Amino acid sequence: QKEVEQNSGPLSVPEGAIASLNCTYSDRGSQSFFWYRQYSGKSPELIMFIYSNGDKEDGRFTAQLNKASQYVSLLIRDSQPSDSATYLCAVSRSGGYQKVTFGTGTKLQVIP
Amino acid sequence: NAGVTQTPKFRILKIGQSMTLQCTQDMNHNYMYWYRQDPGMGLKLIYYSVGAGITDKGEVPNGYNVSRSTTEDFPLRLELAAPSQTSVYFCASRLDEKLFFGSGTQLSVL
Repeated sequence: QKEVEQNSGPLSVPEGAIASLNCTYSDRGSQSFFWYRQYSGKSPELIMFIYSNGDKEDGRFTAQLNKASQYVSLLIRDSQPSDSATYLCAVSRSGGYQKVTFGTGTKLQVIP
Repeated sequence: NAGVTQTPKFRILKIGQSMTLQCTQDMNHNYMYWYRQDPGMGLKLIYYSVGAGITDKGEVPNGYNVSRSTTEDFPLRLELAAPSQTSVYFCASRLDEKLFFGSGTQLSVL
Protein backbone atom coordinates (compact mmCIF):
# COMPACT_ATOMS: atom_id res chain seq x y z
CA GLN A 1 0.00 0.00 0.00
CA LYS A 2 1.34 3.40 -0.98
CA GLU A 3 1.79 5.84 1.86
CA VAL A 4 -0.05 8.61 0.00
CA GLU A 5 -2.41 7.82 -2.85
CA GLN A 6 -3.91 10.13 -5.44
CA ASN A 7 -5.73 9.61 -8.71
CA SER A 8 -3.29 10.64 -11.43
CA GLY A 9 -6.01 12.15 -13.62
CA PRO A 10 -6.16 14.16 -15.72
CA LEU A 11 -9.13 15.80 -14.09
CA SER A 12 -10.80 18.12 -16.57
CA VAL A 13 -13.19 20.82 -15.40
CA PRO A 14 -14.68 23.80 -17.26
CA GLU A 15 -13.63 27.29 -16.31
CA GLY A 16 -15.65 28.59 -13.37
CA ALA A 17 -16.47 25.12 -12.02
CA ILE A 18 -15.36 23.54 -8.74
CA ALA A 19 -12.42 21.17 -8.99
CA SER A 20 -12.24 18.45 -6.33
CA LEU A 21 -8.95 16.69 -5.70
CA ASN A 22 -8.65 13.76 -3.32
CA CYS A 23 -5.91 12.01 -1.38
CA THR A 24 -5.73 9.10 1.06
CA TYR A 25 -2.85 8.24 3.37
CA SER A 26 -1.86 5.13 5.27
CA ASP A 27 0.12 6.40 8.29
CA ARG A 28 -2.30 7.04 11.15
CA GLY A 29 0.48 8.96 12.90
CA SER A 30 0.37 11.67 10.25
CA GLN A 31 -0.37 15.07 11.76
CA SER A 32 0.23 17.59 9.00
CA PHE A 33 -1.26 17.58 5.51
CA PHE A 34 -0.27 19.69 2.55
CA TRP A 35 -1.29 20.52 -0.98
CA TYR A 36 1.41 21.61 -3.39
CA ARG A 37 0.87 22.91 -6.91
CA GLN A 38 3.42 22.11 -9.59
CA TYR A 39 3.36 23.70 -13.01
CA SER A 40 5.00 21.75 -15.82
CA GLY A 41 8.77 22.02 -15.64
CA LYS A 42 8.69 23.93 -12.36
CA SER A 43 9.24 23.10 -8.71
CA PRO A 44 6.32 22.50 -6.31
CA GLU A 45 4.88 25.39 -4.33
CA LEU A 46 2.79 25.13 -1.18
CA ILE A 47 -0.79 26.33 -1.53
CA MET A 48 -2.50 24.89 1.57
CA PHE A 49 -1.79 23.00 4.77
CA ILE A 50 -4.15 21.64 7.39
CA TYR A 51 -3.74 19.97 10.78
CA SER A 52 -7.21 19.58 12.23
CA ASN A 53 -10.28 17.71 11.11
CA GLY A 54 -12.69 19.84 9.14
CA ASP A 55 -12.25 22.55 6.55
CA LYS A 56 -9.69 25.25 6.04
CA GLU A 57 -10.36 27.99 3.51
CA ASP A 58 -7.91 30.33 1.78
CA GLY A 59 -9.38 32.36 -1.04
CA ARG A 60 -10.67 30.03 -3.73
CA PHE A 61 -9.04 27.01 -2.08
CA THR A 62 -10.55 24.81 0.65
CA ALA A 63 -8.69 21.91 2.23
CA GLN A 64 -10.73 19.24 3.98
CA LEU A 65 -9.37 16.66 6.41
CA ASN A 66 -10.97 13.53 7.85
CA LYS A 67 -8.44 11.69 10.04
CA ALA A 68 -10.80 8.83 10.87
CA SER A 69 -11.09 8.03 7.17
CA GLN A 70 -7.47 9.03 6.49
CA TYR A 71 -8.66 11.28 3.72
CA VAL A 72 -7.75 14.79 2.67
CA SER A 73 -9.15 16.80 -0.21
CA LEU A 74 -8.67 20.11 -1.97
CA LEU A 75 -11.52 22.08 -3.51
CA ILE A 76 -10.81 24.85 -5.99
CA ARG A 77 -13.76 27.15 -6.56
CA ASP A 78 -14.22 29.23 -9.71
CA SER A 79 -11.47 27.27 -11.46
CA GLN A 80 -9.30 29.28 -13.84
CA PRO A 81 -7.09 28.11 -16.73
CA SER A 82 -4.13 29.28 -14.62
CA ASP A 83 -5.05 26.57 -12.09
CA SER A 84 -4.09 23.92 -14.65
CA ALA A 85 -1.21 22.10 -13.00
CA THR A 86 -0.39 18.95 -11.08
CA TYR A 87 -1.51 18.99 -7.46
CA LEU A 88 0.58 16.99 -5.01
CA CYS A 89 -0.75 15.83 -1.67
CA ALA A 90 1.84 15.44 1.09
CA VAL A 91 1.77 14.30 4.72
CA SER A 92 4.15 14.32 7.63
CA ARG A 93 4.33 13.50 11.29
CA SER A 94 4.95 16.28 13.74
CA GLY A 95 7.71 16.61 16.29
CA GLY A 96 11.21 15.35 15.63
CA TYR A 97 10.22 13.03 12.80
CA GLN A 98 10.04 15.46 9.92
CA LYS A 99 9.90 13.23 6.84
CA VAL A 100 7.45 14.60 4.29
CA THR A 101 5.88 12.02 1.98
CA PHE A 102 4.28 12.98 -1.32
CA GLY A 103 1.65 11.36 -3.45
CA THR A 104 2.09 10.98 -7.19
CA GLY A 105 -0.10 13.99 -7.93
CA THR A 106 -3.31 14.71 -9.81
CA LYS A 107 -3.13 16.60 -13.07
CA LEU A 108 -5.85 19.24 -13.33
CA GLN A 109 -6.92 20.73 -16.64
CA VAL A 110 -9.24 23.74 -16.59
CA ILE A 111 -10.92 24.12 -19.96
CA PRO A 112 -11.66 27.73 -21.03
CA ASN B 1 17.77 36.41 -0.29
CA ALA B 2 18.31 33.57 -2.80
CA GLY B 3 16.32 30.84 -0.98
CA VAL B 4 17.33 27.32 -2.09
CA THR B 5 19.88 27.18 -4.88
CA GLN B 6 20.63 24.02 -6.84
CA THR B 7 23.44 23.48 -9.32
CA PRO B 8 23.74 22.39 -12.03
CA LYS B 9 20.36 22.84 -13.74
CA PHE B 10 21.08 20.18 -16.37
CA ARG B 11 23.62 17.39 -16.60
CA ILE B 12 24.26 14.39 -18.81
CA LEU B 13 26.31 11.58 -17.32
CA LYS B 14 27.68 8.38 -18.78
CA ILE B 15 26.96 5.11 -17.00
CA GLY B 16 29.43 4.60 -14.18
CA GLN B 17 30.39 8.25 -13.80
CA SER B 18 30.08 10.09 -10.51
CA MET B 19 28.84 13.55 -9.70
CA THR B 20 27.63 15.76 -6.89
CA LEU B 21 24.43 17.78 -7.02
CA GLN B 22 24.89 20.92 -5.00
CA CYS B 23 22.23 22.46 -2.78
CA THR B 24 22.59 25.60 -0.68
CA GLN B 25 20.06 27.54 1.33
CA ASP B 26 20.49 30.93 2.96
CA MET B 27 17.45 30.84 5.25
CA ASN B 28 19.16 29.07 8.17
CA HIS B 29 16.69 26.19 8.02
CA ASN B 30 17.59 23.03 9.93
CA TYR B 31 15.57 20.60 7.85
CA MET B 32 16.65 19.81 4.31
CA TYR B 33 15.52 17.18 1.83
CA TRP B 34 16.45 15.58 -1.49
CA TYR B 35 13.67 14.32 -3.72
CA ARG B 36 13.65 12.80 -7.17
CA GLN B 37 10.75 13.05 -9.57
CA ASP B 38 10.39 10.71 -12.50
CA PRO B 39 8.24 11.78 -15.49
CA GLY B 40 4.55 11.94 -14.59
CA MET B 41 5.24 10.88 -11.04
CA GLY B 42 5.29 12.47 -7.64
CA LEU B 43 8.28 13.15 -5.46
CA LYS B 44 10.21 10.32 -3.86
CA LEU B 45 12.36 11.10 -0.82
CA ILE B 46 16.00 10.12 -1.22
CA TYR B 47 17.61 11.51 1.94
CA TYR B 48 16.81 14.12 4.51
CA SER B 49 18.61 15.98 7.26
CA VAL B 50 17.32 17.50 10.49
CA GLY B 51 20.45 19.53 11.11
CA ALA B 52 24.18 19.77 10.52
CA GLY B 53 25.81 16.39 10.98
CA ILE B 54 22.52 14.46 10.97
CA THR B 55 21.17 12.68 7.91
CA ASP B 56 18.79 9.79 7.34
CA LYS B 57 17.55 7.66 4.47
CA GLY B 58 14.27 8.23 2.73
CA GLU B 59 12.30 5.92 0.44
CA VAL B 60 14.89 5.49 -2.36
CA PRO B 61 18.43 5.98 -0.97
CA ASN B 62 20.23 3.26 -2.94
CA GLY B 63 22.92 4.65 -5.22
CA TYR B 64 23.11 7.98 -3.41
CA ASN B 65 24.99 9.51 -0.51
CA VAL B 66 24.65 12.80 1.33
CA SER B 67 26.52 14.86 3.86
CA ARG B 68 25.54 17.86 5.97
CA SER B 69 28.63 19.54 7.33
CA THR B 70 26.97 22.96 7.58
CA THR B 71 23.42 24.24 7.98
CA GLU B 72 23.58 25.82 4.53
CA ASP B 73 24.81 22.96 2.35
CA PHE B 74 23.31 19.56 1.61
CA PRO B 75 25.06 17.96 -1.40
CA LEU B 76 23.82 14.75 -3.00
CA ARG B 77 26.45 12.35 -4.36
CA LEU B 78 25.93 9.79 -7.12
CA GLU B 79 28.85 7.37 -7.09
CA LEU B 80 28.21 5.05 -10.05
CA ALA B 81 25.55 6.57 -12.26
CA ALA B 82 22.95 4.20 -13.72
CA PRO B 83 20.17 4.84 -16.29
CA SER B 84 17.63 4.31 -13.48
CA GLN B 85 18.92 7.53 -11.91
CA THR B 86 17.69 9.60 -14.85
CA SER B 87 15.28 11.98 -13.17
CA VAL B 88 14.68 15.51 -11.96
CA TYR B 89 16.18 16.13 -8.55
CA PHE B 90 14.76 18.68 -6.14
CA CYS B 91 16.40 19.93 -2.99
CA ALA B 92 14.21 21.57 -0.36
CA SER B 93 14.52 23.19 3.03
CA ARG B 94 11.76 23.42 5.61
CA LEU B 95 10.59 26.02 8.08
CA ASP B 96 7.63 25.11 10.27
CA GLU B 97 5.30 23.35 7.84
CA LYS B 98 6.47 24.86 4.58
CA LEU B 99 8.92 23.29 2.16
CA PHE B 100 10.99 25.64 0.02
CA PHE B 101 12.14 23.98 -3.17
CA GLY B 102 15.07 24.71 -5.40
CA SER B 103 14.53 24.95 -9.14
CA GLY B 104 15.68 21.38 -9.74
CA THR B 105 18.44 19.52 -11.57
CA GLN B 106 17.53 17.54 -14.66
CA LEU B 107 19.90 14.57 -14.86
CA SER B 108 20.20 12.11 -17.72
CA VAL B 109 22.36 8.99 -17.48
CA LEU B 110 23.17 7.49 -20.86
